[in-house]
Amino acid sequence: DTAVSQTPKYLVTQMGNDKSIKCEQNLGHDTMYWYKQDSKKFLKIMFSYNNKELIINETVPNRFSPKSPDKAHLNLHINSLELGDSAVYFCASSQPSKGFVYGYTFGSGTRLTVV
Amino acid sequence: AQKITQTQPGMFVQEKEAVTLDCTYDTSDPSYGLFWYKQPSSGEMIFLIYQGSYDQQNATEGRYSLNFQKARKSANLVISASQLGDSAMYFCAMREGGTGGFKTIFGAGTRLFVKA
Repeated sequence: DTAVSQTPKYLVTQMGNDKSIKCEQNLGHDTMYWYKQDSKKFLKIMFSYNNKELIINETVPNRFSPKSPDKAHLNLHINSLELGDSAVYFCASSQPSKGFVYGYTFGSGTRLTVV
Repeated sequence: AQKITQTQPGMFVQEKEAVTLDCTYDTSDPSYGLFWYKQPSSGEMIFLIYQGSYDQQNATEGRYSLNFQKARKSANLVISASQLGDSAMYFCAMREGGTGGFKTIFGAGTRLFVKA
């Protein structure tokens, strides 16, 4: 069973469209994250949710809206897609109450291409 | 301000030799954790090793060890007996304690090439 699963794996869409990426984890973790990896492989945190509560909201355009219906799911909706949104988006989860030692468990990533 | 620095964009190592990937960090928080992740060409992110700021001994996980020099704020990854499958991007990362406990920041990465 996949621990952190993201769908879709690939997403090609036109500028101006609205799209969503879904993420689910079956690890029982309390905290979930969205990271963006750009074309230079740089990873930057976008959002973090702990028990469905938004904890971190980095400087991200308002067009990006995360939603966590329960602590096992964290979805990312993007409105009015722009060329610069093209990137790989990673979902991850962790259990901070157990300490740092276990690191994050990442999903396999969603490669978004805006044309 | 950038808090994780990986100065080696790319590294080459001969198969079966050891290699050290450099990482320096900056924080004023006494409680923090340092991590290394591997990203093969297939794209997934794999957690390799963790070092806590209060840990007295360097972390080890199989062929991976973390050379933690707290005073110098460095956390270098050592891979012993390199294998062809070690060819990948390697990211150093840090999570600060306190209110930063929910955020891990990553360095720019080092691409490792293992030669046969």
